[in-house]
Amino acid sequence: GQQVMQIPQYQHVQEGEDFTTYCNSSTTLSNIQWYKQRPGGHPVFLIQLVKSGEVKKQKRLTFQFGEAKKNSSLHITATQTTDVGTYFCAGRDSGTYKYIFGTGTRLKVLA
Amino acid sequence: DGGITQSPKYLFRKEGQNVTLSCEQNLNHDAMYWYRQDPGQGLRLIYYSQIVNDFQKGDIAEGYSVSREKKESFPLTVTSAQKNPTAFYLCASTNYNEQFFGPGTRLTVL
Repeated sequence: GQQVMQIPQYQHVQEGEDFTTYCNSSTTLSNIQWYKQRPGGHPVFLIQLVKSGEVKKQKRLTFQFGEAKKNSSLHITATQTTDVGTYFCAGRDSGTYKYIFGTGTRLKVLA
Repeated sequence: DGGITQSPKYLFRKEGQNVTLSCEQNLNHDAMYWYRQDPGQGLRLIYYSQIVNDFQKGDIAEGYSVSREKKESFPLTVTSAQKNPTAFYLCASTNYNEQFFGPGTRLTVL
């Protein structure tokens, strides 16, 4: 079945360092979404990418969707302690409204 | 105040009992989803529904059942056939641009 993998599983950074998480799907996706989940909380939507090669920015966050629509990345510049949480990608299966979530990357920021 | 509500927040169940988790939305979304999250893990899709009176199995539907009699409501029943039901259950709805999640229900089987 379709799988979406994320790497790394964990990342500890010093405050001010950059952070990147990568998402790879075994199949072509219709679109990809990114979510952030704080400890003990629920996932909160960050962004959706639809077009091949698309790049979007939100302040210190940069999101990319691969040319083949099978991979994506989230890059955070100059991390802050408020960035702590788990970041998930979620790909929509082509032809359905089923979303497959990645395994997540847990970010810890050390002050 | 628009959003998704889930109840209860915490639920304890004895082995062998069925239990129903509530999920209600007032966002007028057609599609709704149920996910299961285990500690330190990602979200796995249990069931989803695109319209009233229709729903589809996700990747881990065994031991669960759902109904979608109203657009606003998508309750999930965890049956006694589910071998390891202790987990965090999240309900979501979507306008197909983003998924809105409820606060979740933490189910513990005693």
